[in-house]
This record gives sequence, C-alpha cells and structure tokens, in this order.
Amino acid sequence: NAGVTQTPKFQVLKTGQSMTLQCAQDMNHNSMYWYRQDPGMGLRLIYYSASEGTTDKGEVPNGYNVSRLNKREFSLRLESAAPSQTSVYFCASSERVRVYSNQPQHFGDGTRLSIL
Amino acid sequence: AQKITQTQPGMFVQEKEAVTLDCTYDTSDPSYGLFWYKQPSSGEMIFLIYQGSYDQQNATEGRYSLNFQKARKSANLVISASQLGDSAMYFCAMRAMGGSQGNLIFGKGTKLSVKP
Repeated sequence: NAGVTQTPKFQVLKTGQSMTLQCAQDMNHNSMYWYRQDPGMGLRLIYYSASEGTTDKGEVPNGYNVSRLNKREFSLRLESAAPSQTSVYFCASSERVRVYSNQPQHFGDGTRLSIL
Repeated sequence: AQKITQTQPGMFVQEKEAVTLDCTYDTSDPSYGLFWYKQPSSGEMIFLIYQGSYDQQNATEGRYSLNFQKARKSANLVISASQLGDSAMYFCAMRAMGGSQGNLIFGKGTKLSVKP
C-alpha cells in the first residue's frame, strides 16, 4: 500500500550542484504535483502535470524543471542548486478532477533538501 | 485573487476538549472545494475532511467537522474530544478555478498543541 513514494528522503547539496527528486505513485492517478514547504509559508506549488504528457508551471517554478516520465512517475530537477532552494519538497497525486470534486491530493512523505 | 487565510499560528487545547481552527478563503468562483490536512511532526500530509461549495450540510468525519459559513467565506475545522495525537500542523486548502486552474491553494497553517 505504497501510495506516493519520494526518493531520496534527505539530501545535502552544495551551491551549483544539480539533483533530481524522484516521485512515483501506484494509485493510477492522472495528475501529479510538486510543492515546496518553507517555515511559515505553507505549501507552494512548483509544477504540476494534469495528465501524462503535460506539465505546467505553478506559483514558484523558477530554478526548477520537471519531467512526467510516464503515468506513474514525475521528477523534479534542480539544475544549479541555490541556498534559497533549501526546503522540504512534497510530491502529490490525484485523480484528474473537476473543481468541485471531493477527491483529495495524496502526498508523499517529503524530501528534506539542504543546500549549502 | 484567490487566497486562504489561517490567522492562528499556534493554538493550545486541553486533552478531551474541543478546539476550532479558523480558515477564511477568498474566491470569486461559485464552485470550489475546501480541504483540511494534518501534518504531524513526522512530516507526512494526511487528508482529513472536505467541504464543497454546494454542499448543503457541514461535513463530518469522525471527530472532525467543518463549520462552513459560505456568506462569511469561512470553513473552520472543529476537532472534538482532543487527543494527544492531534498535536500537529493543520492546513486549510482550497480548490477553485481562476488563477489556480483548479489546483490546491494552501494556507500557512496552524500548529495545534494538545496538553495532557
């Protein structure tokens, strides 16, 4: 009963290094999301993929790229990490829903990323 | 602009008492959904309860209920008979169209501490 799986759980990078965060879901969901969570800021959407083959920018996309590899997998890449990208990153998935649908997003356990 | 506001950064409640966590929202869309998530210290995001804008009755899920006041644009979470395990961050989120394109918009959260 895995749900949404994120790897790695923790990572420390140096400024300028690159890294890809991996996310996979086994619920056959169409939509997937990447968020970052900073203290006092709640969750902010970085990128999302409404369905396989599409990706769109969220609220805070600068410095990130994404790939929807297939229906199950959605990766987030930091090309040149900066200290401002130190955060907890969450991946989520959901059915492709209408606005008034009661289907929630299901979250992974998060990746704690520190950039020195 | 669409926005979720949680005005209580932190709350304390005595074990076995009820507590209300405030959430106000702003949207001009007639169709929207409101979600509450719990984030314990372990970090995962747990879906608690949903309220749709057209729902005639307040949502309830076990010890969780929503005090939905549409005219006031508020969707407060009520936790009855608090338990020590309820100590966590609680996030209110909204799904609406407009600028968010149906994605979730999160508030900044309320940290609930349950005292024995």
